[in-house]
Amino acid sequence: KQEVTQIPAALSVPEGENLVLNCSFTDSAIYNLQWFRQDPGKGLTSLLLIQSSQREQTSGRLNASLDKSSGRSTLYIAASQPGDSATYLCAARISDMRFGAGTRLTVKP
Amino acid sequence: DVKVTQSSRYLVKRTGEKVFLECVQDMDHENMFWYRQDPGLGLRLIYFSYDVKMKEKGDIPEGYSVSREKKERFSLILESASTNQTSMYLCASTLGRGVQAFFGQGTRLTVV
Repeated sequence: KQEVTQIPAALSVPEGENLVLNCSFTDSAIYNLQWFRQDPGKGLTSLLLIQSSQREQTSGRLNASLDKSSGRSTLYIAASQPGDSATYLCAARISDMRFGAGTRLTVKP
Repeated sequence: DVKVTQSSRYLVKRTGEKVFLECVQDMDHENMFWYRQDPGLGLRLIYFSYDVKMKEKGDIPEGYSVSREKKERFSLILESASTNQTSMYLCASTLGRGVQAFFGQGTRLTVV
């Protein structure tokens, strides 16, 4: 069974900092890895999807990388803003879709 | 844009009731999923479905069943609701295995 782990569980940074969130998975035979954002009490919003054949994807201030062989993905957020405060989750897709427990990010003004 | 709609945002039910949570997607997606989310436990997979009338158990299927009679609709059924099923329930859909997943807004179920 695929196990997905996210480190750190929580992170607090001042506005403007660049930061990295980590995701690791145990089974490298994934179809894709997806990063989501979740605001309190809400559903999940997709941020970036990396196919198994890709190494990275970028959207605005966000950059996600994937290293299948080592079972790792990172989400890089540049120039963080208070509006980035949320929980970030990664999901690895094989036949089903498995999630990490998330990283709760707080960006202080 | 793909839309995944869950029938209720908030639901309060009594112990022992049969509860139906509905999820509808409007983009002809083949794969649909039901998760529950609890503090400290993250998202746990209850059931998923590859296509109409197909279903697979996830990690925590006990106490739940599902129905997928039409492609756009995936229903989660709590046969006899219990207080330990109080949770946030999230539905997701994807066109296939290699593409983006979309989530509904979630249903916060309280069983009293």
